[in-house]
Amino acid sequence: AQSVTQLDSQVPVFEEAPVELRCNYSSSVSVYLFWYVQYPNQGLQLLLKYLSGSTLVKGINGFEAEFNKSQTSFHLRKPSVHISDTAEYFCAAMTQSGNTPLVFGKGTRLSVIA
Amino acid sequence: GAVVSQHPSRVICKSGTSVKIECRSLDFQATTMFWYRQFPKQSLMLMATSNEGSKATYEQGVEKDKFLINHASLTLSTLTVTSAHPEDSSFYICSLEGGVADTQYFGPGTRLTVL
Repeated sequence: AQSVTQLDSQVPVFEEAPVELRCNYSSSVSVYLFWYVQYPNQGLQLLLKYLSGSTLVKGINGFEAEFNKSQTSFHLRKPSVHISDTAEYFCAAMTQSGNTPLVFGKGTRLSVIA
Repeated sequence: GAVVSQHPSRVICKSGTSVKIECRSLDFQATTMFWYRQFPKQSLMLMATSNEGSKATYEQGVEKDKFLINHASLTLSTLTVTSAHPEDSSFYICSLEGGVADTQYFGPGTRLTVL
């Protein structure tokens, strides 16, 4: 079984400042890792994913994440945030066997302050 | 990526009534769909895995007789909340694996409010 931990429930940050949203995972088997963003009253939108290969993954809206196997982490970063980045961000994991459900972290609320 | 729709987007019903939520894959045939539930300010919790042509697999603690899932075709799965109660009020989201390696695509969600 896998578990995903997002250490910060809320992260306030000023506009144009950098941000890092932390995610750690635990699994007895190899997993794929994902970051999703959810705007108010909407479904989830995929930001980026790590399947294999380069540990630095670039996604949409200027976000990137780095897979660190030794630290079992997959932290999300953006060098300069915008007001429009205010949303809920979910880290998720899935076993590498296809057609299996995602296990989500509890989410991190990113609030960008003008 | 795959396009997933849900209908209705919002529904308000009286306690004791049943509500059906549809999840459609618009451009991909999905043998497996997933139903998640999200309470306010919380994460998504998997409720069940919906398999085309067979019975759904429910997660522990989810009442299969209360949350009826029917995956009648490769493009449609339905979730029926039977005899709804206020504690069933939640955001219900479906997803499917869209053919691109191990990526799930989510519907926009259905906000259920039971009065």
